[in-house]
Amino acid sequence: DQQVKQNSPSLSVQEGRISILNCDYTNSMFDYFLWYKKYPAEGPTFLISISSIKDKNEDGRFTVFLNKSAKHLSLHIVPSQPGDSAVYFCAASAGSSNTGKLIFGQGTTLQVKP
Amino acid sequence: DTAVSQTPKYLVTQMGNDKSIKCEQNLGHDTMYWYKQDSKKFLKIMFSYNNKELIINETVPNRFSPKSPDKAHLNLHINSLELGDSAVYFCASSLRAPGNGYTFGSGTRLTVV
Repeated sequence: DQQVKQNSPSLSVQEGRISILNCDYTNSMFDYFLWYKKYPAEGPTFLISISSIKDKNEDGRFTVFLNKSAKHLSLHIVPSQPGDSAVYFCAASAGSSNTGKLIFGQGTTLQVKP
Repeated sequence: DTAVSQTPKYLVTQMGNDKSIKCEQNLGHDTMYWYKQDSKKFLKIMFSYNNKELIINETVPNRFSPKSPDKAHLNLHINSLELGDSAVYFCASSLRAPGNGYTFGSGTRLTVV
């Protein structure tokens, strides 16, 4: 039962263009969503998050959009840089559970070409 | 450096052996986690401790036993290792509150031969 899905295993974009990574979820109890970035042989690092009371959160080049009715969120990176090449994980949590448990998607590998 | 550190980074061992992975955080977080990343790259939660109390115990074989001597440490002991236990195990910590992100360790790649 995969509650968080990233249906695109990989994405390739040109440097300077926009990267859009997508994530879908099934559990309507999820109320916090996070994006993590992972380089090879390292642990995931937190990138940006959004609460379900918002539909957009922006931090520098990174913006996360949430569409609750579609149970869909996306991460936009503008402009993309070669250093952004990594695996991106979407994660979700249900605040009501009060455990802090995050459910992760399977990741999307982003390659930004110079 | 403030971080989540886990040791060892690589672990190769034979089937049937018992091994432990150690994790320590100096971020002052009150909650620690063990996640397993399988061959399909899914990150799945195994256990979580909050202030030394077990709060998450997912469907994991009882050969896996977490131990938290204090809120800065969470170790994972695995008995009678099997081939299917081969994976990357990540330790993480956070402050327990809705929406808080985790800080992850760099992972332990366990290979059972």
